[in-house]
Amino acid sequence: AQTVTQSQPEMSVQEAETVTLSCTYDTSESDYYLFWYKQPPSRQMILVIRQEAYKQQNATENRFSVNFQKAAKSFSLKISDSQLGDAAMYFCAYKSGTASKLTFGTGTRLQVTL
Amino acid sequence: GAGVSQTPSNKVTEKGKYVELRCDPISGHTALYWYRQSLGQGPEFLIYFQGTGAADDSGLPNDRFFAVRPEGSVSTLKIQRTERGDSAVYLCASSPTRRGGATQYFGPGTRLLVL
Repeated sequence: AQTVTQSQPEMSVQEAETVTLSCTYDTSESDYYLFWYKQPPSRQMILVIRQEAYKQQNATENRFSVNFQKAAKSFSLKISDSQLGDAAMYFCAYKSGTASKLTFGTGTRLQVTL
Repeated sequence: GAGVSQTPSNKVTEKGKYVELRCDPISGHTALYWYRQSLGQGPEFLIYFQGTGAADDSGLPNDRFFAVRPEGSVSTLKIQRTERGDSAVYLCASSPTRRGGATQYFGPGTRLLVL
């Protein structure tokens, strides 16, 4: 079974600075997708960024980028120019190309300070 | 357009009671998912519908949990004889297809508290 590990329960970053959230996963499959979701106190999971395993190029979305290391099974999220609105729980998630469900990590709570 | 909606937002019930949680997916999305999120944890998969049928119910914890999607749109998660351990946030998500890395769009969840 696939597992997703987020080893940082909490992280803190100053406004305008850069922070990296870590995620590792375990799988024997070659066809899969990786996601970062943000969950603010409103509870709604919001997609931040996604990566297809078959793509070597790291995904980027504005201030958000990933460092996808396929051999190491690592998928970290970098947030540049952090803003107060970035404060939330961040979840890393894995999806097999042949299955339907997402498998989530336990999350990292990100604090953004002035 | 409208996102995924879930009702009620919060539900308090007593141990042993029956509850229904409703999910209204994004219009046109054929795939619908239910997840359960316990305090301090990531969401855990419960069940997936493709159209009207439950294509994967491997995450349902026991036979007290049941879900339906009779017309391929709105879905209801039903929990019989609720237990205190059922207290959690129940999240619904939908996607236009189940194939590949189709993004799952989540609703705001229903927080269930069993006293």
